[in-house]
Amino acid sequence: KQEVTQIPAALSVPEGENLVLNCSFTDSAIYNLQWFRQDPGKGLTSLLLIQSSQREQTSGRLNASLDKSSGRSTLYIAASQPGDSATYLCAVRKTTSGTYKYIFGTGTRLKVLA
Amino acid sequence: DADVTQTPRNRITKTGKRIMLECSQTKGHDRMYWYRQDPGLGLRLIYYSFDVKDINKGEISDGYSVSRQAQAKFSLSLESAIPNQTALYFCATMGGGLTDTQYFGPGTRLTVL
Repeated sequence: KQEVTQIPAALSVPEGENLVLNCSFTDSAIYNLQWFRQDPGKGLTSLLLIQSSQREQTSGRLNASLDKSSGRSTLYIAASQPGDSATYLCAVRKTTSGTYKYIFGTGTRLKVLA
Repeated sequence: DADVTQTPRNRITKTGKRIMLECSQTKGHDRMYWYRQDPGLGLRLIYYSFDVKDINKGEISDGYSVSRQAQAKFSLSLESAIPNQTALYFCATMGGGLTDTQYFGPGTRLTVL
């Protein structure tokens, strides 16, 4: 059974700091991995999607990497801003034929202090 | 207008009551999902549907039922609500491609007293 873990559960950093969020998964047979952002009272918004054949994806100040063999992904946020404060979740999609389901991690709650 | 909408946004109910949470989408996706989110437990899948005639149980379907009234509408029902069903509920959709992401509604905060 696929399990997805995110460490740390919560993180506070001063504005301007670069930071890394971690995601690990137990079964390396995945189609892709996504990072989502969740703001209080709102749904999840997709930030980056990495296919299993890719090593990383970048969008603005965000960079996500994937090491499928070790079951790990990281989300790097450069020059953090107070507006980055949110909960970040990773999710993996299995390779089983016809599978259109994601398994979610428990999230990392990030607070960027002004 | 939002692509995925949920009603109500907040609901307080009593133990034993039947309630329905509704989800509508304008993305034209066939695949729709219901999740619940509890503190420290992440999102867990309750039910999912790949088209109007295809409905499947997720990992925590006990105590819940669903109805796919049309491609655009997917409702979640709690037949007899209990306090441990207090949670944040999300509806999501997904397209058919391997690279497609999930699109989430804003969530319904349900409290069962």
